[in-house]
Amino acid sequence: EPEVTQTPSHQVTQMGQEVILRCVPISNHLYFYWYRQILGQKVEFLVSFYNNEISEKSEIFDDQFSVERPDGSNFTLKIRSTKLEDSAMYFCASSETASGFYQETQYFGPGTRLLVL
Amino acid sequence: GQNIDQPTEMTATEGAIVQINCTYQTSGFNGLFWYQQHAGEAPTFLSYNVLDGLEEKGRFSSFLSRSKGYSYLLLKELQMKDSASYLCALYNQGGKLIFGQGTELSVKP
Repeated sequence: EPEVTQTPSHQVTQMGQEVILRCVPISNHLYFYWYRQILGQKVEFLVSFYNNEISEKSEIFDDQFSVERPDGSNFTLKIRSTKLEDSAMYFCASSETASGFYQETQYFGPGTRLLVL
Repeated sequence: GQNIDQPTEMTATEGAIVQINCTYQTSGFNGLFWYQQHAGEAPTFLSYNVLDGLEEKGRFSSFLSRSKGYSYLLLKELQMKDSASYLCALYNQGGKLIFGQGTELSVKP
């Protein structure tokens, strides 16, 4: 069964450093998303991406964050100048469409646990 | 804005049936998802309602009443592996999922 994959599974970085989190969405999916989950808190939407453009972004997704689809398979989240409060699990998700009943279902990758020291 | 309420914790017995409720307020409704999340893992899709009524998928069923802003997830024949957090999420056209805090279900022998 096709699945979303993410690398690395864990990332430790120093405050102020840049990190790039990588995702390979399900191959026939057209919509891509990043979410984060701070330990013990709820899953929070960061950004949605379609046709090489950001469709929607949350208040969390400020200038520190950027997303890119550098080739036909990868989808990346870059965090510039990381802060302590960026420590969280980051989930990538993908869906076939954003409208159309079950085709809207978002499938999540296993996550990257980011720790900023 | 959007707001979702779920009970924080529930406990049930192996083999039993449990119902996890979710109430919500939203300015525009486009669908409601239920996900299961084991500790330290990704949310996995369980069920999706966009119209009123019951959707059944094996041991899991989900119900929606849009007029009441209410949904529930029903788990039958509970197994120990069903111990997890169950997340109710509102769907925004364009792809944004707004998650509730989740209900931590403990299944006891």
